[in-house]
Formats: sequence, structure tokens, C-alpha cells
Amino acid sequence: ETGVTQSPTHLIKTRGQQVTLRCSSQSGHNTVSWYQQALGQGPQFIFQYYREEENGRGNFPPRFSGLQFPNYSSELNVNALELDDSALYLCASSLEGREKLFFGSGTQLSVL
Amino acid sequence: QKEVEQDPGPLSVPEGAIVSLNCTYSNSAFQYFMWYRQYSRKGPELLMYTYSSGNKEDGRFTAQVDKSSKYISLFIRDSQPSDSATYLCAMSAIDDKIIFGKGTRLHILP
Repeated sequence: ETGVTQSPTHLIKTRGQQVTLRCSSQSGHNTVSWYQQALGQGPQFIFQYYREEENGRGNFPPRFSGLQFPNYSSELNVNALELDDSALYLCASSLEGREKLFFGSGTQLSVL
Repeated sequence: QKEVEQDPGPLSVPEGAIVSLNCTYSNSAFQYFMWYRQYSRKGPELLMYTYSSGNKEDGRFTAQVDKSSKYISLFIRDSQPSDSATYLCAMSAIDDKIIFGKGTRLHILP
């Protein structure tokens, strides 16, 4: 059984650029959730995908968008990057429900 | 008032001590309560998962939920240096997103 994997592990971008982060869910899991974790804070819910459809969204602007593919892997896209977007982006997979999340190690994004 | 409140610490205790971590919350619709452990530069790892009120024990870890007081706790017995990490409480209502606390940084001193 493979766990949740995220790529890249680190990324440096400049303000205004666009970024795509990738996530492979744990084997057998059909739900993927994305979280943003700023330094010293808890993870903040961005959105969740279930069977390729968005299934809930947190308080993030539309420039944060996502996709889920038929193999349940997922992408997080962020357009027009801002300095405050610098954070650890976490992907979590789960089976059907939202309660038991299994996280990847995250992508550390720095916006300069 | 934030939905989930958690003291960020840091909390330093000697090896072998009992550690008590806790969170308060305001949303009475929360039914699922979790504790995650997060090591530096890693993703959170699910430690304990509880539905509704009551206690749950797993090895050295005990989770307690008191819905009447809107208060949850995690106890760690016989604490080890390897327990040094950030502990995040998390909770959700049925079919709703999971809300995390800020996390408490724990240091176990050898």
C-alpha cells in the first residue's frame, strides 16, 4: 500500500506567477483534500475533490483551483501568486468520507 | 471567537511525564474529533479518531471528548523524546470540512 505523495517538495516563485502542485492519493482512496498551512498555524481547508468533482470549498479566492483525475490523483493550481501564498500546501486522501485524512509531506511554496 | 482554540505552547515536560493537551471549540454541530501529530517538515499523521463523546485509548495515548463543555483532550503517558512534535486537534460536523486548531508544540526533555 503506497501513501500520499506530493511533488515538488519545494518551490520558489515570484509574485504574479502561476504554480501547479501535484498529489497522488493513497491506494484505494477516492477523495482528495487540499490544505494550506502557514508558518505556526494549523492547516486551512482549500477544497476537496470526490470522484473528479469539487465537493466543498473553503474561504479561498477563485485563483485557487484544482483537478482530480480518473486515477484519483489531483492538482492544485494557484494563479497570480501573492506573497501571502507562501506556505506549506498539504494534500490528504480519504476513503469516501472526510473524517480520516491521510496527509502527504507537503509542498513548501515560497513566493518572492 | 474562533471555531477551534488551541494553545500553541511550546510545552516542555521531562521524559516519562504525563502530557495533557487540549482544545476548546464553539460549534455544537461537531461530531468527529481527531488528533494529529506533525513532525517538522512533514505532513500531519492521524493519531486518534473519536466520534461524539467519550474516551478512547490506544497504547500510551488517550483521547477524551466532553461535548457538554466543548472541550477535548489528548493524554500521553510515559512520554518519550520521540513524542516531541506539534499536536493538532481537528474536528468536523457530519459531511462537512475538517477544522484544525493551530497546534501545540511539545518538547520532551531527556
